[in-house]
Amino acid sequence: GQSLEQPSEVTAVEGAIVQINCTYQTSGFYGLSWYQQHDGGAPTFLSYNALDGLEETGRFSSFLSRSDSYGYLLLQELQMKDSASYFCAVRLANSGYALNFGKGTSLLVTP
Amino acid sequence: DTGVSQDPRHKITKRGQNVTFRCDPISEHNRLYWYRQTLGQGPEFLTYFQNEAQLEKSRLLSDRFSAERPKGSFSTLEIQRTEQGDSAMYLCASSSSAGNTIYFGEGSWLTVV
Repeated sequence: GQSLEQPSEVTAVEGAIVQINCTYQTSGFYGLSWYQQHDGGAPTFLSYNALDGLEETGRFSSFLSRSDSYGYLLLQELQMKDSASYFCAVRLANSGYALNFGKGTSLLVTP
Repeated sequence: DTGVSQDPRHKITKRGQNVTFRCDPISEHNRLYWYRQTLGQGPEFLTYFQNEAQLEKSRLLSDRFSAERPKGSFSTLEIQRTEQGDSAMYLCASSSSAGNTIYFGEGSWLTVV
């Protein structure tokens, strides 16, 4: 089967850097995705890592180590609007590109 | 690009009634997905279409649930004989054949009373 583990809650101060870790177990790995979801809103795509290493998109970066079945999302220069839930996800086997999501990490950014 | 749209956004229904949700994917996307999400949880996969063919169904999709995608365009998700446990947000998403990214709609909130 598949499983993803990520911390349930993280709190950080505005302007700081926070790292959200994700470990996964899956057969047939096709990449690790990250999504952001504000309360009551739709999950929105942040980043995708198919290969080992760091992908940077503005204030957000994502890292993958396939040998460790591990990835993380790094958020820099935190802003209040970054308070949201963050989900890592891997592709479900035998489901086209459907994703299997972790339970999510609730990030609270405080002043 | 108008994004994925879902209708209705909110539905309150009495237990035992049937409800139907509609999803219009991004126009050039041939893959369409339905997910369910409850508070504090990640989206849970329900079913997946490629064009009009329903290729995968989760064990979460009981026989009270049925999804269709006629002509490979919009999709509907019907829940028959609703139960209180069906209360959740139902998310639709779409993707292209070439892409690794799926794009979600705003979701349809269902409350069964």
